[in-house]
Amino acid sequence: EAQVTQNPRYLITVTGKKLTVTCSQNMNHEYMSWYRQDPGLGLRQIYYSMNVEVTDKGDVPEGYKVSRKEKRNFPLILESPSPNQTSLYFCASSHDQGYYYGYTFGSGTRLTVV
Amino acid sequence: RKEVEQDPGPFNVPEGATVAFNCTYSNSASQSFFWYRQDCRKEPKLLMSVYSSGNEDGRFTAQLNRASQYISLLIRDSKLSDSATYLCVVLGYGNKLVFGAGTILRVKS
Repeated sequence: EAQVTQNPRYLITVTGKKLTVTCSQNMNHEYMSWYRQDPGLGLRQIYYSMNVEVTDKGDVPEGYKVSRKEKRNFPLILESPSPNQTSLYFCASSHDQGYYYGYTFGSGTRLTVV
Repeated sequence: RKEVEQDPGPFNVPEGATVAFNCTYSNSASQSFFWYRQDCRKEPKLLMSVYSSGNEDGRFTAQLNRASQYISLLIRDSKLSDSATYLCVVLGYGNKLVFGAGTILRVKS
């Protein structure tokens, strides 16, 4: 089944404790992206990647890092999480940069930083 | 001004009703437009792309007005299962997807 897999689904952590949210897609998509969703603000792009070793900042990159060493994986790293990073996170991938077919999203990671 | 604006609703309609959602976007250079559906606490899923000539998929009709920078979604014969948040999405600058905050639809029996 074609899908984007994120882990974990739920995570509660403490301020400052480094964490990684994994994302993997099995559709051989070149384009991958991370979004966060907050009430009233919609989905906002954190980082995106157009191919292996090619990443760029989205609208809200502060406090996040990403890497794209393999085509299928695009982990999101929070080096020192803070409470304002409490949010619902989605990873997404696309064959054509979303131009015709949009993006396929993972099931989401609900992160709480206390 | 937000890049993509939607009426947040909620729209409360009875089963069988016709309901329309509107969306405006600010970037006149935008090339691609979509409607996504998001169920509570779940991932967004592509409902349909929106083409310049308008397009229909079963009970759903999408329209685009480039001159007014306006997109619409019409749902006919609403079902209980249509209850969800509908996200207007525009492919903006740098081929980045820009999401509206969503419109909540509640269909009641």
